[in-house]
Amino acid sequence: KAGVTQTPRYLIKTRGQQVTLSCSPISGHRSVSWYQQTPGQGLQFLFEYFSETQRNKGNFPGRFSGRQFSNSRSEMNVSTLELGDSALYLCASSPGTVKETQYFGPGTRLLVL
Amino acid sequence: QKEVEQDPGPLSVPEGAIVSLNCTYSNSAFQYFMWYRQYSRKGPELLMYTYSSGNKEDGRFTAQVDKSSKYISLFIRDSQPSDSATYLCAPSYSSASKIIFGSGTRLSIRP
Repeated sequence: KAGVTQTPRYLIKTRGQQVTLSCSPISGHRSVSWYQQTPGQGLQFLFEYFSETQRNKGNFPGRFSGRQFSNSRSEMNVSTLELGDSALYLCASSPGTVKETQYFGPGTRLLVL
Repeated sequence: QKEVEQDPGPLSVPEGAIVSLNCTYSNSAFQYFMWYRQYSRKGPELLMYTYSSGNKEDGRFTAQVDKSSKYISLFIRDSQPSDSATYLCAPSYSSASKIIFGSGTRLSIRP
């Protein structure tokens, strides 16, 4: 079974631009969660989608948004990029909402210049 | 005060040693406790989870939770070089709630 895939794997943007990251969950998984990982703040929860509905949200500004499609694929968008948005963005999927069946993808490394 | 505190290390021990990794948390409402392992340039992978105070063993790994002192531990017996990774504790209100991650402890096992 294929794992969670994230595209692109690496991305360089400049301040003020916007970016869209994509996550394809494991086949049959309906829940997708997004996380931001930085050396200073560690791994922080962004949001979780289940069956196209956002069911949980972390403490991030409104510049961070996401959505989930009917095939469970998910995208997250960051508008008006800031230098501090440079991070590894991780996506994780699970069949339902319980986290012990959650599997992480390899992440998208975003560098904002 | 952060909700979850974890010593970032790095922690370096010789192969075969017993490793103890620890976290403290401040929210007494946390009822579900997980440990993740993250290798360099990879996403985290779930090692163990437990709902209750006490010990849970899985092979060389033992997770321990003391809710009265809000203290979480992961013990690794007979440590191997392949155990070299960053270990993140992750408490939560329930198995379906959002996860709060510790900052991670970087562990290195010397051959």
